[in-house]
Amino acid sequence: AQKVTQAQTEISVVEKEDVTLDCVYETRDTTYYLFWYKQPPSGELVFLIRRNSFDEQNEISGRYSWNFQKSTSSFNFTITASQVVDSAVYFCALSEVGSGTYKYIFGTGTRLKVLA
Amino acid sequence: GAGVSQSPSNKVTEKGKDVELRCDPISGHTALYWYRQSLGQGLEFLIYFQGNSAPDKSGLPSDRFSAERTGGSVSTLTIQRTQQEDSAVYLCASSLWLAGETEQFFGPGTRLTVL
Repeated sequence: AQKVTQAQTEISVVEKEDVTLDCVYETRDTTYYLFWYKQPPSGELVFLIRRNSFDEQNEISGRYSWNFQKSTSSFNFTITASQVVDSAVYFCALSEVGSGTYKYIFGTGTRLKVLA
Repeated sequence: GAGVSQSPSNKVTEKGKDVELRCDPISGHTALYWYRQSLGQGLEFLIYFQGNSAPDKSGLPSDRFSAERTGGSVSTLTIQRTQQEDSAVYLCASSLWLAGETEQFFGPGTRLTVL
């Protein structure tokens, strides 16, 4: 069965600190996609990144970076030099393409608080 | 272009009443999803639509919940005989196509409060 675990319920850091949000997934499919979404206090989820199961290359976008490791079924998200505007709830999600269900399974989210 | 819109933004209703929540997806998006987010919780999948295919209703929590999508565009989520545990934010999302490969674009949600 597909499952996404975000064990960190809430993280607080001081501005300019680096922070890593963990995501561990379970799937029997060989073809799947992983996503990260941000939900700021305004409430609207914003797409951050998509990764397919055949591409384990890490990705960097500005202060954001993602580490995808199939060996540990993890897709972790790091924010470098965090800013107050990064405060939000971050969701990791999994979509199994091969199973044909096309559902997205979301983790329970990690609330990040960046303190000035 | 316009994003996903939902209406109403807030709905307060009395237990036992029926409610209808509306979602306008992004034009051209063939897939539409409904989720429920209870206070402090993650997103619970409810249902998705893809073009003219039969919707996947496997996430609907009870037969009091139903949804339809007319003309492959606007969708309505209906909750009959609302209960207090139905109180949550109902989120709608659309994507360019199904297949799980594309990102979803989310609406602002409808906050439902059942008294």
